[in-house]
Amino acid sequence: TQLLEQSPQFLSIQEGENLTVYCNSSSVFSSLQWYRQEPGEGPVLLVTVVTGGEVKKLKRLTFQFGDARKDSSLHITAAQPGDTGLYLCAGEYNFNKFYFGSGTKLNVKP
Amino acid sequence: SQTIHQWPATLVQPVGSPLSLECTVEGTSNPNLYWYRQAAGRGLQLLFYSVGIGQISSEVPQNLSASRPQDRQFILSSKKLLLSDSGFYLCARRFLGGYTFGSGTRLTVV
Repeated sequence: TQLLEQSPQFLSIQEGENLTVYCNSSSVFSSLQWYRQEPGEGPVLLVTVVTGGEVKKLKRLTFQFGDARKDSSLHITAAQPGDTGLYLCAGEYNFNKFYFGSGTKLNVKP
Repeated sequence: SQTIHQWPATLVQPVGSPLSLECTVEGTSNPNLYWYRQAAGRGLQLLFYSVGIGQISSEVPQNLSASRPQDRQFILSSKKLLLSDSGFYLCARRFLGGYTFGSGTRLTVV
């Protein structure tokens, strides 16, 4: 059973386009994280959101936590080839436990 | 530094052979440590977590076990590997609201 569902699973776009990745659950999370992973490496933390409705920006990346703390989105503006990778969301469900979504594989073509 | 060291980077083992993957961490003492497994290009499955020496919580009944003999050492083991144990194994520690991950071990059981 997957606590977190990510969509889309795969996304291939041209450089300069915008995109949004979604992370949805029926469960409430105390916090939610977004990670980016490159092949053969461990995921790297991008952001943590804690408050319902919270919006955080990291250069061209905008992260939003749903009001009910059940879902989140990641929006990338003017995507670049360096944004290519696997994007993972992870929710803190119980103390000390984080559950990961199935991931969105993004390919940005030059 | 909150660096995590994992070794080996890649491993090919025959079915029925034993396994020992080691993870050591630097930085603050008494870290929360985790073992995750990742199928190719997909999300992470939580296997074990530990909040201290000798304290192990198992998330999924399986052919694997974990031990924490020292504060900064976390070991993943198996007495007899199965084909289904193949995957990318990641060690992680709790840090700043998310995780810091090691570089992972790619295990192929043949």
